[in-house]
Amino acid sequence: DIQMTQSPSTLSASVGDRVTITCRASQNINSWLAWYQQKPGRAPKLLMYKASSLESGVPSRFSGSGSGTEFTLTISSLQPDDFATYYCQQYNSSPLTFGQGTRLEIK
Amino acid sequence: QLVESGGGLVKPGGSLTLSCAGSGFTFSDAWMSWVRQAPGKGLDWVGRIKSKADGGTTDYGTPVKGRFTISRDDSKNMLFLQMNSLTTEDTAVYYCNTDPVWGQGTLVTVSS
Repeated sequence: DIQMTQSPSTLSASVGDRVTITCRASQNINSWLAWYQQKPGRAPKLLMYKASSLESGVPSRFSGSGSGTEFTLTISSLQPDDFATYYCQQYNSSPLTFGQGTRLEIK
Repeated sequence: QLVESGGGLVKPGGSLTLSCAGSGFTFSDAWMSWVRQAPGKGLDWVGRIKSKADGGTTDYGTPVKGRFTISRDDSKNMLFLQMNSLTTEDTAVYYCNTDPVWGQGTLVTVSS
């Protein structure tokens, strides 16, 4: 199985900050990577797909980059609604696998 | 939208079948997945079933392979997850999804 490793596990930041979350794959997944946001008690929400494509309706302050084994999700200017847990998922090959999550909390 | 049902309390070693009703999109064209989340833990991909046009084949995550079976009834816009030989490690909220659509989840608790 392809292992996905996110860093950091927890990130403390303030409204207006620029933050970056990293996701590393244990083998080449090309650009077959998605990012999800999840808030407590809610289903995950798709933010990005194919590493850098923004899902419809997602604010443009979210961006994704990378290919191969290293990927990043950047939020350019944190808003109060962005404090949540973020997951990457590879869908290059089965079984699909998620990273362990990055909890973004208010500093 | 997607609406899951069928969750509940089951004893270790038991079986349970979850259902997921789809609406508002062409269900038969969708690759459908199940994802679970144990209490306080991260997301865990359970498996998926491709559309019949793409072969209708299934794939499973390593922890559930051989115990869980995913099926679909496109005539009823329904997805199913048959779970056998359940253990306490299978306790989780189970979501069905076809990105970007997710259900609200249904809780499965495996306990004696």
